[in-house]
Amino acid sequence: AQSVTQLDSQVPVFEEAPVELRCNYSSSVSVYLFWYVQYPNQGLQLLLKYLSGSTLVKGINGFEAEFNKSQTSFHLRKPSVHISDTAEYFCAVSDLDNAGNMLTFGGGTRLMVKP
Amino acid sequence: DAGVIQSPRHEVTEMGQEVTLRCKPISGHDYLFWYRQTMMRGLELLIYFNNNVPIDDSGMPEDRFSAKMPNASFSTLKIQPSEPRDSAVYFCASTDTGSRQRQYFGPGTRLTVL
Repeated sequence: AQSVTQLDSQVPVFEEAPVELRCNYSSSVSVYLFWYVQYPNQGLQLLLKYLSGSTLVKGINGFEAEFNKSQTSFHLRKPSVHISDTAEYFCAVSDLDNAGNMLTFGGGTRLMVKP
Repeated sequence: DAGVIQSPRHEVTEMGQEVTLRCKPISGHDYLFWYRQTMMRGLELLIYFNNNVPIDDSGMPEDRFSAKMPNASFSTLKIQPSEPRDSAVYFCASTDTGSRQRQYFGPGTRLTVL
């Protein structure tokens, strides 16, 4: 069984400042990792994913995440945020043996970008 | 592609009434998932189907909840009778093996039970 912990439920930040949203996971097997974004009153959209290869993954809207196997982390970063990045961000994990394509989600982090 | 389609987008009903939520997955996808999102419990997987067959319904909260997938392009989630604590946003998502476990989410149905 896997679990995902997003350590911060809310992250306030000023526009154009850098941001890091933290995600740690636990699993007894190798995993795929995902970040999804949910804008107000919308469904979840994929930001980026790590399947294999380079541990630094670039996604849409200038976001990137780094997979750190030893620390079982997959933190999301953006060097300069915009007001439009205000949303809820979910980290998710799926194990490589998961024939059912199931995802385990973290509790979410609400990013609040202030002018 | 129109993406995953859910209807209705909003539903307000009274306690004790039957509620049916609908989902049309992306054409060609063979996995379909139902999730519930609340402030208290976050995003919970209720049930998922593969090739129209329910595979794991361990997340379905009670016998009041049931889900069906009569064909590859349609699924329903039914609550009978509904209760105020069922108020939540219900999401449907679909994927296929070739998507490497990326799930595509619908816009959700916001359910309010009075």
